[in-house]
Amino acid sequence: AQKVTQAQTEISVVEKEDVTLDCVYETRDTTYYLFWYKQPPSGELVFLIRRNSFDEQNEISGRYSWNFQKSTSSFNFTITASQVVDSAVYFCALSNTGTASKLTFGTGTRLQVTL
Amino acid sequence: DAGVIQSPRHEVTEMGQEVTLRCKPISGHDYLFWYRQTMMRGLELLIYFNNNVPIDDSGMPEDRFSAKMPNASFSTLKIQPSEPRDSAVYFCASSPSLAINSYNEQFFGPGTRLTVL
Repeated sequence: AQKVTQAQTEISVVEKEDVTLDCVYETRDTTYYLFWYKQPPSGELVFLIRRNSFDEQNEISGRYSWNFQKSTSSFNFTITASQVVDSAVYFCALSNTGTASKLTFGTGTRLQVTL
Repeated sequence: DAGVIQSPRHEVTEMGQEVTLRCKPISGHDYLFWYRQTMMRGLELLIYFNNNVPIDDSGMPEDRFSAKMPNASFSTLKIQPSEPRDSAVYFCASSPSLAINSYNEQFFGPGTRLTVL
């Protein structure tokens, strides 16, 4: 069975601080995909990134960066110099390959960025 | 493209009533997914379709729930009879067809917030 754990339920930071959202996953598959989605207060789910299990390179996109480590089954997400607009719930998700794959979501981390 | 379209955006109904949620996937996408989001259970996959055929409905909570996809551009999720515990946000998502050993991300609709009184 697949499982995604986001142990941080809620994080509150002051604008311009860096913040890391943790994600730990469990799967028996050797090939799988990991995702991060953002859910702003408006409610929609916004895709942020996808990584496959063969690519452990870290990725940076503007203020966002992701650290994928198979050895610890973690796929952590860091926001540098956070902004109020980053306030949202962030979900980590896992899927295996094959036919259209089910996304297994973590419980989400609510990030609150204040001035 | 307009993205995944869901209607209604909000639905308030009374216990025992039938509820129908609608979804129009992104044109050309072969896969369609229905999810439910609640505070208690988070985001759960209910059912998904490939080329209009239901592939996995193991997440459908009980017989009161049914989903159909009569054509490539339309799907419904029906709850009959509805109960207060069905109150949740229901998301529809679609995804393009997959190459072997690859994955395309799912594009989510804005969701339908259902309240059953």
